[in-house]
Amino acid sequence: EAQVTQNPRYLITVTGKKLTVTCSQNMNHEYMSWYRQDPGLGLRQIYYSMNVEVTDKGDVPEGYKVSRKEKRNFPLILESPSPNQTSLYFCASSLSGNSNEQYFGPGTRLTVT
Amino acid sequence: AQSVTQLDSHVSVSEGTPVLLRCNYSSSYSPSLFWYVQHPNKGLQLLLKYTSAATLVKGINGFEAEFKKSETSFHLTKPSAHMSDAAEYFCVVSDRDDKIIFGKGTRLHILP
Repeated sequence: EAQVTQNPRYLITVTGKKLTVTCSQNMNHEYMSWYRQDPGLGLRQIYYSMNVEVTDKGDVPEGYKVSRKEKRNFPLILESPSPNQTSLYFCASSLSGNSNEQYFGPGTRLTVT
Repeated sequence: AQSVTQLDSHVSVSEGTPVLLRCNYSSSYSPSLFWYVQHPNKGLQLLLKYTSAATLVKGINGFEAEFKKSETSFHLTKPSAHMSDAAEYFCVVSDRDDKIIFGKGTRLHILP
């Protein structure tokens, strides 16, 4: 089944404790992206990747890191999480570029205390 | 830089009546435009997309949208609302800089 998977689905952590949210897609998509969703703000793009080893900042990259060493994986890293990063995070992928349909993962709900 | 504005944060319609969700965009080039839907506690699903072909775009579940360059609008419509249409809807623009911008969303309520 074609899908985007994220792990974990739920995470509660404390300020400053490094964490990684994994994202994997099995559709051989080139474009992958991370978003955060907050009430009243819609989804905001954190980072995106056009292909392996190519990443770029979205609109809200501060406090996040990403890497794209393999085509299928695009982990999101929070080196020192803070409470303002409490949010619902979505990973997405699309065939190529940003003019194609995006396929979204199920979301990761992160709480930083 | 591109931007997208959804003009209503909440819209309420009665079942069986038309739906109109409004979206205006700003872009320096010819953008790609999308509408996504998010049902409660679910992921996001593509409703329809415009990528410089026909200006009237038909999507799933009876939804359609019309691209109007002169008005920089991409409003979403449906002739007759169904209870299952209750969800949050996002207008999305992508541009030549490879970024993707979401609107803040419109929550659609369907009254019985």
